[in-house]
Amino acid sequence: EAGVAQSPRYKIIEKRQSVAFWCNPISGHATLYWYQQILGQGPKLLIQFQNNGVVDDSQLPKDRFSAERLKGVDSTLKIQPAKLEDSAVYLCASSLDWQGPSTIYEQYFGPGTRLTVT
Amino acid sequence: AQSVSQHNHHVILSEAASLELGCNYSYGGTVNLFWYVQYPGQHLQLLLKYFSGDPLVKGIKGFEAEFIKSKFSFNLRKPSVQWSDTAEYFCAVNAGYQLIWGAGTKLIIKP
Repeated sequence: EAGVAQSPRYKIIEKRQSVAFWCNPISGHATLYWYQQILGQGPKLLIQFQNNGVVDDSQLPKDRFSAERLKGVDSTLKIQPAKLEDSAVYLCASSLDWQGPSTIYEQYFGPGTRLTVT
Repeated sequence: AQSVSQHNHHVILSEAASLELGCNYSYGGTVNLFWYVQYPGQHLQLLLKYFSGDPLVKGIKGFEAEFIKSKFSFNLRKPSVQWSDTAEYFCAVNAGYQLIWGAGTKLIIKP
């Protein structure tokens, strides 16, 4: 089966510019996650979607970050305006579901987008 | 707040050495536990997981982990490492509905 797709793989922008990332989850996966991984740290959940509804966005800096998953499949994450501290790898992951039988909770990750803000 | 602690940020071993990477978490409820691995240039992938039952779980590539509830630990082990095990290893704990991640351990295996 095809994995989680993300684009672009790399992006370099100047501070105060805007940027958007795209994610296509594994077919049939209801739950989609966006993580931010800063160098030397583990992934931090930014937002979790169940189909096209938001389950958790408590750690999303809503003054500059936004995300949507309009048709319950693809998702985009946007940063506007970007700050230096936004330099990180942005990971997208998907799972069959986020609750219920344990075997459907496993998350599958895409290759990530490495963002450098100068 | 829930947290996951991985004891070592960097580990360097020679081939055939035994490996144990520590992982401790702080959460008093029922947990699901995971180890993920990221090989150089590749994306994160699941190494093994614990949901219930036998606290000693076996994963891919000869890895295993033991859940010790009384110690809030889920340490990763491998009896004999190979050069190809060079990677970054992350412990993650499903506390409630959110997955909480450790900071990762970079493992370098010297040939």
